[in-house]
Amino acid sequence: QSVLTQPPSASGTPGQRVSISCSGSSSNIESDYVWWYQQLPGTAPKLLIYTNNQRPSGVPDRFSGSKSGTSASLAISGLRSEDEADYYCATWDDSLSVWVFGGGTKLTVL
Amino acid sequence: EVQLLESGGGLVQPGGSLRLSCAASGFIFSNYALSWVRQAPGKGLEWVSGISYSGGSTHFADSVKGRFTISRDNSKNTLYLQMISLTAEDTGVYYCAKNVAYSYGSNYGMDVWGQGTTVTVSS
Repeated sequence: QSVLTQPPSASGTPGQRVSISCSGSSSNIESDYVWWYQQLPGTAPKLLIYTNNQRPSGVPDRFSGSKSGTSASLAISGLRSEDEADYYCATWDDSLSVWVFGGGTKLTVL
Repeated sequence: EVQLLESGGGLVQPGGSLRLSCAASGFIFSNYALSWVRQAPGKGLEWVSGISYSGGSTHFADSVKGRFTISRDNSKNTLYLQMISLTAEDTGVYYCAKNVAYSYGSNYGMDVWGQGTTVTVSS
């Protein structure tokens, strides 16, 4: 059971906008920045969003992050087939003193 | 280009030991904290351990506390993870990741990941 809760799956058709939620608590999401990682099949995770809503260079602006209270979300607009991957949210948990991840959301592009 | 290259994975019997290494290049190694993150087969990501830029501060997940040791050699740009008393639950891909600052803690997430090394604990 992950400390952060994500839906196990999400889907959309090319061009659509999809959103992936990440729910936590006052000891993690509410008090710390949220980070999002994309893991393409058979590869290492890649940083997608840092400090809630910032994109590293090279990440398309189709990807955006937001946070409110104890929840965060990742939005992907203009969905493309190459966005099919697993997405993970992460943050530091002040009570556990460890980084915690969501269970991951498998995004399928129909 | 920032690169992290893990090695040392393999097949080990339950109760055995293994030492993973992570060779870094493309950045000032001694300025950054580092983390180990693992992924069991078909499962999600689990942060295992972190070490500060100097090695003076470390943290471990409860699942590995007392069995794993993290260390670094800043003269060799290399991160290590010593694992003992391994069980089947330790099986998975172990990733080395660079944190964005001198600490691995609050607000200092991981921005670059290695390709991972596979650890299999089985008799």
